[in-house]
This record gives sequence, structure tokens and C-alpha cells, in this order.
Amino acid sequence: DIVLTQSPALAVSLEQRATISCKTSQNVDNYGISYMHWYQQKPGQQPKLLIYEGSNLASGIPARFSGSGSGTDFTLTIDPVEADDIATYYCQQSKDYPLTFGSGTKLEIK
Amino acid sequence: EVQLVESGGGLVQPGRSLKLSCLASGFTFSNYGMNWIRQAPGKGLEWVASISSSSSYIYYADTVKGRFTISRDNAKNTLYLQMTSLRSEDTALYYCARRAYSGDVDYWGQGVMVTVSS
Repeated sequence: DIVLTQSPALAVSLEQRATISCKTSQNVDNYGISYMHWYQQKPGQQPKLLIYEGSNLASGIPARFSGSGSGTDFTLTIDPVEADDIATYYCQQSKDYPLTFGSGTKLEIK
Repeated sequence: EVQLVESGGGLVQPGRSLKLSCLASGFTFSNYGMNWIRQAPGKGLEWVASISSSSSYIYYADTVKGRFTISRDNAKNTLYLQMTSLRSEDTALYYCARRAYSGDVDYWGQGVMVTVSS
């Protein structure tokens, strides 16, 4: 199984940049596509897709969110952070079954 | 508007069975693969099972293999999860989720709670 590792929490100040990392135990790229995706989950809500294929912004997601990386190292960046961004962020790989998620990074305001 | 509405959850004793349903609307259900993904209280996301658009390909997490069965009825726009031999560790919010082209999940239902307890 592909294991995804995220830091448990990150504290940032409003209007600053947040960078959330996700490291995978195996390469999740294939034929030039990164099968890495990012989700935001607020308390009491279902997750929402933010970024797909490593760097593509999902529909309706503000450009403050961006994704980068390849292979085994990926980053979700929020710049600038707004109060509404307080949530837990999950990465997910779809290169191989079983589909796996990172354990989530809780974004907090400093 | 894409909508996924789960039903069938509840409190069930260990060892018993339960069947979840997910009614899809707002898109051509038969064109998309679907997933069940769960989240135990206060925990992260765990993929449970996936089914392709025509039911040709089905995958399960090891934790549920042999106990859970995913299926779909494209004529009824409905996804199912038959759960048997339920354990306390199956207690979770179960999400019905649409698989997008690259295996990401572009739409999620609100989730249905399953509690396994005596």
C-alpha cells in the first residue's frame, strides 16, 4: 500500500502563506500525471476537492490555493490564508488501489 | 446540480448486517465510477470500496474485504454497500463519493452514520 505522510498541524497568521506537505512511500506519477489530490474538510462537513492531479485547481476553488510537486513529494499552498481556510487538509493518491489518504493536516491561526 | 444522498445507516449490534444506499442525481450516473469512503469519529478519511461505471471493476480495502459488498443499479441511479459481520471498528460516517477521471473524488455526499455497538 502507498502510505501518505502529513504533519498533524500547522499554525499560520492571517494573510500569510501556508504550505502543507504530503510525502508518499512510492512514486505516484505515471505517464506525466501525478495521481495526487487535495481536499479541505471543515468541521461537520464533507470533504471538498481542492486540487487534482497534483496541481490542477478544482472547479470553484479560489486561486489562493495551489498544488505542486511530483513523484513522492507534494505541497498544497494557501496564499494568503483567510479565516475561512481553517480546516483539515487531506492528500490522497489514486495511482494504485487501495486508494489511500494522508492522516490530515489541521490548519490553525497563529 | 450533482447530489449524492446516502441512507440506511443506524445503530447495529456487532456481527449483524446493514445495507447503505446512495441516490445520485444531477449527472449521468452510469458514466462514473463510485466510491464509499468512511470516517470514524474524530479520525481521518479511509477508503472502503470502489466500483466502475459498469460494475466491471470492483476493489475493496483489506479491512472490509469478504464482509462488505459494493454494487450499483444504474437504472435506479443508486449505489449500495452491503455490510455484514459488522465490528465496532466499522463505526463511522460513510460517504458516497463520485470518482473523477484521475481517481480523485469530485463530489461527496453528506454521509450516513453507522454505529456498531451492543
